[in-house]
Parts: sequence; C-alpha cells; structure tokens
Amino acid sequence: QVQLLQSGAEVKNPGASVKVSCKASDYTFSRFGISWLRQAPGQGLEWLGWITPYNGNTNYAQKFQGRVTMTTDTSTTTAYMDLRSLRSDDTAVYFCARVSTHGFYFDFWGQGTLVTVSS
Amino acid sequence: DIQMTQSPSSLSASVGDRVTITCRASQGISDSLAWYQQKPGKAPYLLLYDTSRLQSGVPIRFSGSRSGTDYTLTISGLQPEDFATFYCQQYYIKPITFGQGTRLEMK
Repeated sequence: QVQLLQSGAEVKNPGASVKVSCKASDYTFSRFGISWLRQAPGQGLEWLGWITPYNGNTNYAQKFQGRVTMTTDTSTTTAYMDLRSLRSDDTAVYFCARVSTHGFYFDFWGQGTLVTVSS
Repeated sequence: DIQMTQSPSSLSASVGDRVTITCRASQGISDSLAWYQQKPGKAPYLLLYDTSRLQSGVPIRFSGSRSGTDYTLTISGLQPEDFATFYCQQYYIKPITFGQGTRLEMK
C-alpha cells in the first residue's frame, strides 16, 4: 500500500526556516511527482508547488517563489520542502501528496506536519 | 489564477439523504476537476477525478457531473461515515486551486 510518511511537528520563530520531509514507500518513487500543500487552521487547501523526482524539476506557486525549495533524495525515496523567512501566517499543516500520472490531482497524501510560527 | 467558487459552505443532512455540492470555475477547465473528502485531523482523500471518474475503492454512492462551468458532487444515500468536509480542485492550469470547502454535518 502506497505510503507517504511525514516528519513531526515543528515550532519556529518568525524569520526562521523549516524543512519538512516526506518518506515514500511501496511504489516507484521516480515515476510520480510530489506536490506540497498546506492548510491553515480552519481554512482550505493551498498548493505550494511540485517536484518531479526523476529529474528534480520544480514548479512553485508564484506566491512562494523565492521562499520555498523542494528537493528529493531518490536513494532514500524522500521528498523535502524547505520554507524560509517564516511568518505567523505560515502557521499551517503542511501535506505532501503524490501526483497522479493521469492528471495533476493527488491520489495519496502524507499525514500532515503542523508547523507553528510563533515568538 | 482560476477561481473555484464552492457552495454551499455548509450543509446539514440526515443518513439516507441525497446531497449535492457545486463548484463553479471562473473559466473553462475542460473537466479537469477532482473532489476530495477530509475528516478532522486527517489528510484529504481523493473521491473523483476528471469530473466523474471514481477513484478505486470509493463507494458508488459518490458521483460527479458538469453543466457548463458548474461541477457537482452528489452523494446518494448518505452514510454515517460520509459526514466530513469536501473540496473541489481544478488541475487544468497551474497554479492548482481549490474550492473553499463544504462542511457536511449531520442533522
């Protein structure tokens, strides 16, 4: 069964950076893109961008350009999302999700990682 | 960016009811629409893609359709486990965008 296992909750000060990991298992990691999304408390879903593990190509939502970096390690089948210059409104649950090969929707999701930005 | 306007924002229904949730796209999205169900504290779960195709393992009481730029999720014969929040997502053009969500509550 496909699994995406994310790293644990983080508490960061404003201005700091956070790196969230997403360990994939039980499928061919290089064949599927990984997207990162977030959900602020009580709010809807927001897409941050995606990466293709096969060649490391990335595409970021304009809102996060310059502040986010997505990477993968194919040897450990792990994806990473690094978000810098954190602000209080970055407080959210961050999800990784597998991108279907059929269309750009998300067929499997990680369990989510709560990132709290607070001084 | 494509705006997805989802309605209603909340809905009360009973077990056995038929309910519909609608998303209106701000421009044509060529049926590139998915629906997700999310329960509190959990990740979203894919229900349908390409407007009306059921994801493997999803019960057939869930269905999807389109009329113009209005996309509809229908649940026929609500079950207790169906009460949750539902989101639509367009994937026709990046950035990927979602509707604001519909919270389905038990009456």
